[in-house]
Amino acid sequence: QKEVEQNSGPLSVPEGAIASLNCTYSDRVSQSFFWYRQYSGKSPELIMSIYSNGDKEDGRFTAQLNKASQYVSLLIRDSQPSDSATYLCAARYSSASKIIFGSGTRLSIRP
Amino acid sequence: EAGVVQSPRYKIIEKKQPVAFWCNPISGHNTLYWYLQNLGQGPELLIRYENEEAVDDSQLPKDRFSAERLKGVDSTLKIQPAELGDSAVYLCASSSATGITNTGELFFGEGSRLTVL
Repeated sequence: QKEVEQNSGPLSVPEGAIASLNCTYSDRVSQSFFWYRQYSGKSPELIMSIYSNGDKEDGRFTAQLNKASQYVSLLIRDSQPSDSATYLCAARYSSASKIIFGSGTRLSIRP
Repeated sequence: EAGVVQSPRYKIIEKKQPVAFWCNPISGHNTLYWYLQNLGQGPELLIRYENEEAVDDSQLPKDRFSAERLKGVDSTLKIQPAELGDSAVYLCASSSATGITNTGELFFGEGSRLTVL
């Protein structure tokens, strides 16, 4: 099992709807999780981090962490065409500063 | 404040040729990462430095890849000889913290896209 797994998509969501992205993780990673956004041809940029069980909201973005089920999700409300990108789930590996990434989910927001 | 700077942005070489990539992290960032990203995949860690020490190079193919970070600032990643399968984007990232204090916020450079013919 990979440490961090994502559905590669593509996920197509109508503009204005809620986009839901999911990620599962193994026991080998710590409880620190991150969502990075990567536009085509660009580098990843951090959009959300979550460390505690539950929800964390930042503007239109909500990250959810469920430690019992070992999954972390990202919700994007009021989806905009500019949200079309690949979303990478990442986790910090055990007690080190090693950050590992999932394979990414490609999100497409259709007008 | 300048971000992470990488060069070259693009490189096309023939197989068996050597190639080198350079990275200048954000000033003051003591953790530096080199990742490899294939099309449609997430970044895969090659090597991680804390200051000048390579603390994790377990994923670096040491028969052909080498890296260094002299004086704990700039870093170079070298491939010699390059193979067709090495075609990818090589991403450099830096972070201001180390170990368990690392918040996971990595700042990435624009990447170096390598094409091996």
